[in-house]
Amino acid sequence: EAGVAQSPRYKIIEKRQSVAFWCNPISGHATLYWYQQILGQGPKLLIQFQNNGVVDDSQLPKDRFSAERLKGVDSTLKIQPAKLEDSAVYLCASSLGLAGASEETQYFGPGTRLLVL
Amino acid sequence: GQQLNQSPQSMFIQEGEDVSMNCTSSSIFNTWLWYKQDPGEGPVLLIALYKAGELTSNGRLTAQFGITRKDSFLNISASIPSDVGIYFCAGQTGGNEKLTFGTGTRLTIIP
Repeated sequence: EAGVAQSPRYKIIEKRQSVAFWCNPISGHATLYWYQQILGQGPKLLIQFQNNGVVDDSQLPKDRFSAERLKGVDSTLKIQPAKLEDSAVYLCASSLGLAGASEETQYFGPGTRLLVL
Repeated sequence: GQQLNQSPQSMFIQEGEDVSMNCTSSSIFNTWLWYKQDPGEGPVLLIALYKAGELTSNGRLTAQFGITRKDSFLNISASIPSDVGIYFCAGQTGGNEKLTFGTGTRLTIIP
């Protein structure tokens, strides 16, 4: 079974530029998550989708970050304009997303490493 | 956002030694999970705990879900070189909810 795919793996941009990341979850997984992992810290949730609807975007800096999952499968995360503090690893994860499930595993992709200069 | 308190922050051990790390939270979780992250990769699930007081093993790994639902520990017995990496605890309130991660424990094996 193929895992969560992410691209690009690395990106270097200058501040105030824009950048986009792509994620393809495991086939059949209804729930998709974007996490931000700053160096030396654990991942923090940015946004959670259930199919093509947003479940939780309370920690997403909406003035510069946006995300979409138009067809309920793959997703893109965009930053516009980028700031120095956006330098981090952006992890995508997916899970089956069964209604009422109490035990679900989130599978993570390899991440996109962003450096903002 | 909240991050769970994980200790120790780093560990330097010799191959064959046992390892113990723990994680505490100010709030209750219904699920506790332990992940390992290798350089350049995403976290990989090691053990999941779903009931307070539960003790679960996965090979040389043993983890427990604290009775108060606010803590968990992970033990690794007889460490080997491939155990090197960063270990994260994570709490979850429900099956399809976000993960709240700890600050991580970096494990290094001294030759």
